[in-house]
Amino acid sequence: AQKITQTQPGMFVQEKEAVTLDCTYDTSDQSYGLFWYKQPSSGEMIFLIYQGSYDEQNATEGRYSLNFQKARKSANLVISASQLGDSAMYFCAMREGIKDDMRFGAGTRLTVKP
Amino acid sequence: GAGVSQSPSNKVTEKGKDVELRCDPISGHTALYWYRQSLGQGLEFLIYFQGNSAPDKSGLPSDRFSAERTGGSVSTLTIQRTQQEDSAVYLCASSSRRGPRINQPQHFGDGTRLSIL
Repeated sequence: AQKITQTQPGMFVQEKEAVTLDCTYDTSDQSYGLFWYKQPSSGEMIFLIYQGSYDEQNATEGRYSLNFQKARKSANLVISASQLGDSAMYFCAMREGIKDDMRFGAGTRLTVKP
Repeated sequence: GAGVSQSPSNKVTEKGKDVELRCDPISGHTALYWYRQSLGQGLEFLIYFQGNSAPDKSGLPSDRFSAERTGGSVSTLTIQRTQQEDSAVYLCASSSRRGPRINQPQHFGDGTRLSIL
């Protein structure tokens, strides 16, 4: 069964506007971590932001924030004030507490329009 | 270097040949992961090493795929009798065991682009 689901294969956003990329996950663990990565066309995987299952506040890193809704098992990435350089694939990933491996969603391709 | 290093960056080979892909993790990182990414797709987990523990091979797609990690550092992913469907980018990542494992991000190499003719 899919552990991580990203339902938006592609998203468009106007430059300077905010965009939300969806991610839902499936786990029976109480302890887990959620990660977002950015993959530009050059191919490298860039770590953006982390949210722990016990964190009471939503994670923020600069223009990135994570809308964590534990009961819904969702961890949506919000990018504020989009820039052209934000155009990339975005992957949501989860590490469960009892395991060390990380499982990734299928990704969302974000295109920022000028 | 400071990051995860993978070699070669590109590999073109004929169907049926064996290939070896190398990953040199960040110094001190005990966890090492291999993923496969087909064109325009997400990351498919292949195998995971943690320290001296037995590797988690649950993602290897067939017995043509194998990996080893020598001395707890460098890892080699071997694909025997390559098929055209093996064409993909193979990504290696490592992470630290310092502190709680749960919040340690993976640091990725630039990948090896494998093309099977």
